[in-house]
Amino acid sequence: DTGVSQNPRHKITKRGQNVTFRCDPISEHNRLYWYRQTLGQGPEFLTYFQNEAQLEKSRLLSDRFSAERPKGSFSTLEIQRTEQGDSAMYLCASSLWSGRTEAFFGQGTRLTVV
Amino acid sequence: GQQVMQIPQYQHVQEGEDFTTYCNSSTTLSNIQWYKQRPGGHPVFLIQLVKSGEVKKQKRLTFQFGEAKKNSSLHITATQTTDVGTYFCAGQGGANNLFFGTGTRLTVIP
Repeated sequence: DTGVSQNPRHKITKRGQNVTFRCDPISEHNRLYWYRQTLGQGPEFLTYFQNEAQLEKSRLLSDRFSAERPKGSFSTLEIQRTEQGDSAMYLCASSLWSGRTEAFFGQGTRLTVV
Repeated sequence: GQQVMQIPQYQHVQEGEDFTTYCNSSTTLSNIQWYKQRPGGHPVFLIQLVKSGEVKKQKRLTFQFGEAKKNSSLHITATQTTDVGTYFCAGQGGANNLFFGTGTRLTVIP
């Protein structure tokens, strides 16, 4: 499978715990985006990378959220001290920045904070 | 910050009727993309529009980009039950990030 892969698919955690999600983009894609989606809403932009550089982070994003893409390949999104309001689907997408910028999405990680 | 609004939020149509969703950005866009998300699925790319006033067609789907590059529309002719899902526009602005609209959920009644 050469699509975008996200792990885990589901995560249930207790409030206050830290969680980390992983995204493996399509191999030649240099752009990687993280979004959060709640039921009935559109994907909310969190952050994006061009290769290993994090170029933009949403101003709405709490300091509890951090993302990395250390070698310009896979990326991780960590949420520290989770809150119930963090419960959502976390989507990763990748694209090849060459003029045609369509984003390919992974299946997402569904986080439930109890 | 950049905002992309879509109307309507929901649309119910009888099979065979037409459907249109409208997208408006608070800022000028370098391009706009449209995605479809089926219930329980993830967004899937449909098309990208780049030029001012551009119109593109994909079978029964017609996409339009406004002259000012701040609005767009998606029109589906003669809807089918396979068209069910939520349609999102996504604008790419000067910062090159990709902001999604609020979406229009289409229900097609057989």
